[in-house]
This record gives sequence, C-alpha cells and structure tokens, in this order.
Amino acid sequence: SAVISQKPSRDICQRGTSLTIQCQVDSQVTMMFWYRQQPGQSLTLIATANQGSEATYESGFVIDKFPISRPNLTFSTLTVSNMSPEDSSIYLCSAAWGPVGGYTFGSGTRLTVV
Amino acid sequence: DAKTTQPPSMDCAEGRAANLPCNHSTISGNEYVYWYRQIHSQGPQYIIHGLKNNETNEMASLIITEDRKSSTLILPHATLRDTAVYYCIGETGANNLFFGTGTRLTVIP
Repeated sequence: SAVISQKPSRDICQRGTSLTIQCQVDSQVTMMFWYRQQPGQSLTLIATANQGSEATYESGFVIDKFPISRPNLTFSTLTVSNMSPEDSSIYLCSAAWGPVGGYTFGSGTRLTVV
Repeated sequence: DAKTTQPPSMDCAEGRAANLPCNHSTISGNEYVYWYRQIHSQGPQYIIHGLKNNETNEMASLIITEDRKSSTLILPHATLRDTAVYYCIGETGANNLFFGTGTRLTVIP
C-alpha cells in the first residue's frame, strides 16, 4: 500500500494567518482527499483533490478558505486561510488507488490557532 | 450516502475475540463496506473491506449478512494495542469515505 508523508505534523498559528499543509505519496495514486477532524469528533471530508483541475469541495467548505493544489499524481497541498481559533483541528490527507483499493491516511497535521 | 450505525463504545478482555457490529441498511448494491481504526493521535488505519462475501486477512475477519444490511468485524484475539476507535464506512460512490462516529473499543487486561 502507499505511504503518505504529511507535514508539518503540528503547528501553532496566529489568528488571521494562513498555513499550507503538504501531502506526499510514495507512488502515483488516482484520488487524494483532505479531511478535518475536530477535537473529539470523527473525520469530515473537506474536498477531493483532483489532478490538473479544481478540487471538489463538500458542503460547508469553500475554495477561498481551503485552497487545494494537486500538481501531479503524488503530491497535494491544503491551505487553511485567514485562520481563526475555530480552525483548530487535525487535518488529514488520504489517498486511494484503483476503483476498489485501500485508502491510506497520513499521520495528520495538528493545528492550533491562537 | 451510505450511512452506518455503530455502538459508541465496547469493552473486550485481552485475548478474547472482539466482535464489532455495524448497521448499514441504506448501502447500495455496489457499495463496499470498509473498516478502519484510529489509534489516538494517529491517522486512520485500513483493516479490511468487503462487498458480499465474508473476508479474512491477517488483522481481522469481516462477516457481512446476506441482505448486506449489517456486518461484524471480528478481531480474533484482542490485544491492548487494539484499543482504538473503529469506523465502519460505506464508500459513497465517488471513491471517498464517509466516516460516522465509530465504536471506541477498549481492550481490558
């Protein structure tokens, strides 16, 4: 199965700033996703990162707040823009391959906004 | 979306089999059932998935009812390291996963 490197693993950021999270997969994958996990909660899908086109966002998430890049089949970034304390969460990258394949998750980025 | 229902928590004695149930009565005929677990402060880990037939791998067994409305994940010999939140997930058809609230399994020494 694919291995995902996600960085940074954690960060403390000032309100109003932006943070870009990187996700690197060790092999080419068809689908990449970004999730958010708020404290004590389950995972919520933010968007599907599409290679060569704009990301597909889930209800409640918008591109201006969470811009996503996917320049190739092994890499994606998620930016959390104009952060507020409510954005404090764990952000996770995931990759899938094939129509029915395993899904691998990164170890997550623990973001604290102060 | 294929919503799933799981008990919020379960305990299991170390060395015994852990049987984690999941209801997924709205799953469609071509949607797979996936099981993942999340150990504290880590990303979710894939365990097993299935469509119709029972499945077994080195980690667990998955028993799916004939009507596909429910399934059971079986950890044959639970260890303390199996303490985690276990998620039963229906693939939504767009190759993404919808996570419910999961079952917090505590393995007791």
